[in-house]
Amino acid sequence: GIQVEQSPPDLILQEGANSTLRCNFSDSVNNLQWFHQNPWGQLINLFYIPSGTKQNGRLSATTVATERYSLLYISSSQTTDSGVYFCAVDANTGNQFYFGTGTSLTVIP
Amino acid sequence: EAGVVQSPRYKIIEKKQPVAFWCNPISGHNTLYWYLQNLGQGPELLIRYENEEAVDDSQLPKDRFSAERLKGVDSTLKIQPAELGDSAVYLCASSLWGQNSPLHFGNGTRLTVT
Repeated sequence: GIQVEQSPPDLILQEGANSTLRCNFSDSVNNLQWFHQNPWGQLINLFYIPSGTKQNGRLSATTVATERYSLLYISSSQTTDSGVYFCAVDANTGNQFYFGTGTSLTVIP
Repeated sequence: EAGVVQSPRYKIIEKKQPVAFWCNPISGHNTLYWYLQNLGQGPELLIRYENEEAVDDSQLPKDRFSAERLKGVDSTLKIQPAELGDSAVYLCASSLWGQNSPLHFGNGTRLTVT
């Protein structure tokens, strides 16, 4: 299956700082989604973004499908942003979403 | 709207015992997924349903795992018999139409096999 790599694996931020998370994938994709898994294990869909740029409050995401990567930007981070961020891609075969290994974010006050 | 509902939230069983998980997707969502998540890893697909049809079950260990989605709404995932290595979080997700719409996850069932 398609390989999905996320970086960095771990990130510690001071509250108020900005950060960029990266997702690289090894093959062409139909769709890409970003998720936040909070410390209680709930997975929340942040963006459905097969291409282009989207923004939602302090979060934004950009996918450059032709270059096989996506970026998630977090601005003015808050302690509630802590958790693990996953990207998931659906290869052109359209069979399933493959998840990356995630970026674990800790925001300290 | 109500989200994806899963039960139970936690389950502890002894090895070789059976266990079942239940999922009710978001109303109107045609596609339902069961994922497995091990500690420190991303979710991995077990089975995907389009309405009541299992369209991708290639990663479901069929010797001990079974699933059904009667009437194309709620679904159950069963393990019989459970093994120690089955300890994990079992996540259910739904989407409006397959891979071309956002996935929404339930809270998951944390299974511990002793």
